[in-house]
Amino acid sequence: QSVLTQPPSASGTPGQRVTISCSGNSSNTGSNYVYWYQQFPGAAPKLLIYRNNLRPSGVPDRFSGSKSGTSASLAISGLRSEDEADYYCATWDDSLSGRVFGPGTKVTVL
Amino acid sequence: EVQLVESGGGLVQPGGSLRLSCAASGFTFSTYWMHWVRQTPGKGLVWVSQINSDGSITTYADSVKGRFTISRDNAKNTLYLQMNSLRAEDTAVYYCTRDQLVRGLRDDAFDMWGQGTMVTVSS
Repeated sequence: QSVLTQPPSASGTPGQRVTISCSGNSSNTGSNYVYWYQQFPGAAPKLLIYRNNLRPSGVPDRFSGSKSGTSASLAISGLRSEDEADYYCATWDDSLSGRVFGPGTKVTVL
Repeated sequence: EVQLVESGGGLVQPGGSLRLSCAASGFTFSTYWMHWVRQTPGKGLVWVSQINSDGSITTYADSVKGRFTISRDNAKNTLYLQMNSLRAEDTAVYYCTRDQLVRGLRDDAFDMWGQGTMVTVSS
C-alpha cells in the first residue's frame, strides 16, 4: 500500500484536458520534489516531469506539473489517443528514507 | 548507445537466491547513483534499493532489507542485486534505473530505465 494517493483512473475525449492528482504528507510530497512517469503496457516507465514542473527534453508541452503543499498534479492538455497509459507520481519520503511511488493512474482516451 | 540492460531473472523456489545484473553502456556509469525498482505484473512500481556512485552508501525498502544486497562494479559498468530468502511476493519485473544529473548535480528523477528482467518465485 503506497503512502501516496492517486485516483485509479482518469479519462477524457481527444482534445480535452485531464488532471491527475498525487497526495501525500509532510514527510514526502510536502517537503520533496515530485516526479511523474508515463508507462505503456509491456514497456519501462519514462520520465515525464521532474522537480514538480520541469519537462525533460522531448516531452511535449501538453504535459505540465504543479505542486501545492502536500499535493501535486499532472495535467495533460489537448489529450491524444497516444496518451493512453499509466501515470505514476514519485518522491522521496523522509520518514521511510526511501523513494516512494504512487499507485498509478490509468488514463483512457474515450 | 546509451542503455541499461538487465539480466539474471528466472524461476526460483521460495527460500532460494538469485543475482540480477544491469549492464550500463554509453554513459559514465561511475558518476551516477543507481536503483532497482520492481513491478508485479498488473500492479504499480515499487522502489527496492539504491546505491551511490562509488558504492559506499546503500539504502533498501523495508520489504527487502536484510534479504537483498545492492552492489556495483564501476570497472565493469555493472549494477547488481543479490536476492536471498526469496518469497512469492518478490515475484515481479525488476528494472534498473539511474538518478538524473542536472548540471552535474544528482536529481531524484529516474531518467533512464532498462527493459526489466522477470523474477518468479514459485514452487
